[in-house]
Amino acid sequence: KQEVTQIPAALSVPEGENLVLNCSFTDSAIYNLQWFRQDPGKGLTSLLLIQSSQREQTSGRLNASLDKSSGRSTLYIAASQPGDSATYLCAVTALDTGANSKLTFGKGITLSVRP
Amino acid sequence: NAGVMQNPRHLVRRRGQEARLRCSPMKGHSHVYWYRQLPEEGLKFMVYLQKENIIDESGMPKERFSAEFPKEGPSILRIQQVVRGDSAAYFCASSLGQGRDQPQHFGDGTRLSIL
Repeated sequence: KQEVTQIPAALSVPEGENLVLNCSFTDSAIYNLQWFRQDPGKGLTSLLLIQSSQREQTSGRLNASLDKSSGRSTLYIAASQPGDSATYLCAVTALDTGANSKLTFGKGITLSVRP
Repeated sequence: NAGVMQNPRHLVRRRGQEARLRCSPMKGHSHVYWYRQLPEEGLKFMVYLQKENIIDESGMPKERFSAEFPKEGPSILRIQQVVRGDSAAYFCASSLGQGRDQPQHFGDGTRLSIL
């Protein structure tokens, strides 16, 4: 059974700092991995999606990497801003689910960027 | 608004009552996923539906929970005889078609509170 872990559960950094959020998963047979952002009381917004054959994806100040063999992914946020404060969720899609793209989520990392 | 619409945003029920959560997918989307987020937990997959069909309900509790996605109208997640442990945020996501390359778009969720 796939388990996705995100540690620590919360992180507080000063504005401007570069930071790395970690995600690990127990079963390397994944189809893809996604990073989502969740603001309080809101739904999820997809940030980056990495296919299992890819090593990384970039969007603006965000860079996500994937090491499938070791079961790890990182989300790198450059020059953090107070507006980056949110909960960041990592989720994987299994390789053997056919057309069903149900996601398995970690519990998330709640990031607070201090002005 | 072309996004996934969930209503109500907040729902309060007393123990033993029924809760009905509605999800209108994005225009043109015929695939719906329901996820539950318990306090201090990550999102957990509940059920995957296509129009008039339940494809995967492996994440649904065996009793009291049911879901439908009729030919016309929104998808409904129904919880009968609610208990305190049903208090959670319930999220719906829709996708254009089947397959793991189809991104899921999330609604803002329904926060269910059981008194």
